[in-house]
Amino acid sequence: GAVVSQHPSRVICKSGTSVKIECRSLDFQATTMFWYRQFPKQSLMLMATSNEGSKATYEQGVEKDKFLINHASLTLSTLTVTSAHPEDSSFYICSARPPTGGKYEQYFGPGTRLTVT
Amino acid sequence: RKEVEQDPGPFNVPEGATVAFNCTYSNSASQSFFWYRQDCRKEPKLLMSVYSSGNEDGRFTAQLNRASQYISLLIRDSKLSDSATYLCVVKVGSNYQLIWGAGTKLIIKP
Repeated sequence: GAVVSQHPSRVICKSGTSVKIECRSLDFQATTMFWYRQFPKQSLMLMATSNEGSKATYEQGVEKDKFLINHASLTLSTLTVTSAHPEDSSFYICSARPPTGGKYEQYFGPGTRLTVT
Repeated sequence: RKEVEQDPGPFNVPEGATVAFNCTYSNSASQSFFWYRQDCRKEPKLLMSVYSSGNEDGRFTAQLNRASQYISLLIRDSKLSDSATYLCVVKVGSNYQLIWGAGTKLIIKP
């Protein structure tokens, strides 16, 4: 099956620093990738939809200047959390939509656990 | 009201038993429905899609009731490895965005 990777899997950073998370689709080209955030015991919340070659579409309440998304190629999207604060500590998961015809709506990366101290 | 609601549980069930849980959704225009499974600190994995006529995959049976706007998941002969959080997911419209429930935690006890 299709594989989506994320890097890093876990990161601890100090408040005020920026963190970049990479999401790669390893065996298919993804024109659309999604970034989710999940707090403990809560549902996945869609943060933004990333489209290759164009600006990301952010969900209501998500600051686009704080969560920078770049989808520069068909296999890579990056999420940069700028000036991170402890409340940004969360589990960040990306997903990629495979080419049409597959039974899966989205393939998920393994997630990145961010801890801001 | 949340768009997708689930009983958070946990459901504590003895091994071998049958367990069922529901999920309700608020948008009558919802088009596609899924059950995902998420293990602790891992990404969600698709368990099964839910079809209008109901569908079965081994020990798992999913049902959709459009009139009452809920979907259900039945697990028969539960195994210890079934312990996980089960997420109900709904797709509305054609923009591929998924609306997620908060999940129902299932614990299978030996």
